[in-house]
Amino acid sequence: QSVLTQPPSVSAAPGQKVSISCSGSTSNIGNNHVTWYRQLPGTVPKLLIYENDKRPSDIPDRFSGSKSGTSATLVITGLQTGDEADYYCGTWDTSLSAGVFGTGTKVTVL
Amino acid sequence: VQLVQSGVEVKTPGASVKVSCMASGYTFNPLLGICWVRQAPGQGLEWLGWSSGDNTKTYRAQSVQGRATLTTDTSTNTAYMELTSLTSDDTAVYFCGREFCDAARCFGPDYWGQGTLVTVSS
Repeated sequence: QSVLTQPPSVSAAPGQKVSISCSGSTSNIGNNHVTWYRQLPGTVPKLLIYENDKRPSDIPDRFSGSKSGTSATLVITGLQTGDEADYYCGTWDTSLSAGVFGTGTKVTVL
Repeated sequence: VQLVQSGVEVKTPGASVKVSCMASGYTFNPLLGICWVRQAPGQGLEWLGWSSGDNTKTYRAQSVQGRATLTTDTSTNTAYMELTSLTSDDTAVYFCGREFCDAARCFGPDYWGQGTLVTVSS
């Protein structure tokens, strides 16, 4: 049972924008950095966003992250068919003294 | 940076499994350790724990508390996760990841191993 809640699925047409929310609490998102990962079918998760809104050098600026209070959001613009994947948020939970991941969101390109 | 994990494991209920993760391309240090994440078939990611690069500190998730031993061999840049008293619920792909943790928190894995499938079946 994950402590971070994401919508099970989101979808949009190619070229459009999708937003994925990640809802937590003061013991996790509210007081810690958020990371976002993309997992293509049958592959290893890949880091998209770290420290709430920073992108690794190999991630295009179509991907952006933000955090407000106890929630975080990943936005993908200019959606491509290759973006079809599962997306996970993650953070530290201070009460649990453990890392936690979100429930995951499947992105479908219509 | 590269993390290479050991191969597929098939175990019977009650047995133990030990998965290795050999790191290259960077230097282990006290704050830059290895975390373990698992993914059951068709399920999401579950963070299991972290061991420091100098093998002095660990964090463990409650779900594996008392059953998971996380260690780091600094002489070979290899991390290990041993999980005991296996049940069918432990069937999953186990990933290792490089993760920075300070005295208060961890910041999420940035590089990942290829995954090790552990199947528990009688």
